[in-house]
Amino acid sequence: QVQLQESGPGLVKPSQTLSLTCTVSGGSIGSGSYYWSWIRQPAGKGLEWIGHIYTGGSTNYNPSLKSRVAISVDTSKNQFSLKLSSVTAADTAVYFCARVSGTTTLDYWGQGTLVTVSS
Amino acid sequence: DIQMTQSPSSLSASVGDRVTITCRASQSISSYLNWYQQKPGKAPKVLLYAASSLQSGVPSRFSGSGSGTDFTLTISSLQPEDFATYYCQQSYSNFFTFGGGTKVEIK
Repeated sequence: QVQLQESGPGLVKPSQTLSLTCTVSGGSIGSGSYYWSWIRQPAGKGLEWIGHIYTGGSTNYNPSLKSRVAISVDTSKNQFSLKLSSVTAADTAVYFCARVSGTTTLDYWGQGTLVTVSS
Repeated sequence: DIQMTQSPSSLSASVGDRVTITCRASQSISSYLNWYQQKPGKAPKVLLYAASSLQSGVPSRFSGSGSGTDFTLTISSLQPEDFATYYCQQSYSNFFTFGGGTKVEIK
């Protein structure tokens, strides 16, 4: 059973860079044809797709965040990571990592981690 | 980008009711439409993929239909554990987008 777990600071100062890591267990991140995705959800609001990375390294990003986002993968650690630069209070949200299956479904999710942007 | 519009944004229903949620895409997405259920404090869980295919382990009271721009999620007989928020999501483009969500509450 594939499991994903987000980790990283829960508090980030405005203008700084938010950095999160998703650790995958129960399967190798480098095997199979999967994308690995980040999604966020502000409190009381809907889901916003941030972007995803293919195990080969190609990426797709939400155009509204593209200038500030970078997603990378480390197959040796079975992890993928999110960096979001120049954060503001509007970036405060629960951040989820997820796997995109062959049917282009987000089939496995992490539990989510709350990141608050505040001085 | 492809906009996904869900309706209604919320509804009240009783156990045993038949519930229908609609999702409309701003352009044709063929059948690249997935449905998720989210309960408070939890990650979303996929219910249906490719518009009408039931994810393994999901009860058969959930069904989906549609193609192109108009899609429907139906719960044939609402159960207590079904009170949650439901989201549609398109995967037609490399830029995934979600609908705004439909909160199903107890009447």
